[in-house]
Amino acid sequence: DQQVKQNSPSLSVQEGRISILNCDYTNSMFDYFLWYKKYPAEGPTFLISISSIKDKNEDGRFTVFLNKSAKHLSLHIVPSQPGDSAVYFCAASARTGNQFYFGTGTSLTVIP
Amino acid sequence: DAGITQSPRHKVTETGTPVTLRCHQTENHRYMYWYRQDPGHGLRLIHYSYGVKDTDKGEVSDGYSVSRSKTEDFLLTLESATSSQTSVYFCAISEIRGSNYGYTFGSGTRLTVV
Repeated sequence: DQQVKQNSPSLSVQEGRISILNCDYTNSMFDYFLWYKKYPAEGPTFLISISSIKDKNEDGRFTVFLNKSAKHLSLHIVPSQPGDSAVYFCAASARTGNQFYFGTGTSLTVIP
Repeated sequence: DAGITQSPRHKVTETGTPVTLRCHQTENHRYMYWYRQDPGHGLRLIHYSYGVKDTDKGEVSDGYSVSRSKTEDFLLTLESATSSQTSVYFCAISEIRGSNYGYTFGSGTRLTVV
């Protein structure tokens, strides 16, 4: 059973506007979350993280929000740029565990 | 940079043949992982290792075996390849960078079983 879900397989946004990518999880033991970005023919690369002790983490144009009661996190990209076009994966882990669980990914297209 | 190298980058093989994929790291990381990426499934863990000769199964381990005889090398073997094992395979290491910890991935191996 998928413990981390990304229900939107794809998203298209105009350049300069905000992109919002969503992720839901089911395991209440998860307390650390990551977003990865993946270009074709490359491995996923780390983008931003958040611990369950926070509800927001910001890094430049990227902000991740965590709603623990709803078991939901979102990634905001503002402003969106064509170079942001990629597949984005969210991942979750329990700090007591040995692995991350990944969502199915959302393909973002930023239209110039 | 964690210095992760996967080989080969691409492989086409026939059903029923054995295949070994290699992951090599240069920074002495303890934990190493093999994932496969498939449309609609995201990244799924096959096996992982927490030290030399110490390995454990992930969620999709059937049909795969692994070995880690040296810290730097983690091998994934398909004993008898099937078409359902056509996928992109990623190796990863677990590392701490600043206040973050997470995976660093290799560039992937695209395997096609015909």
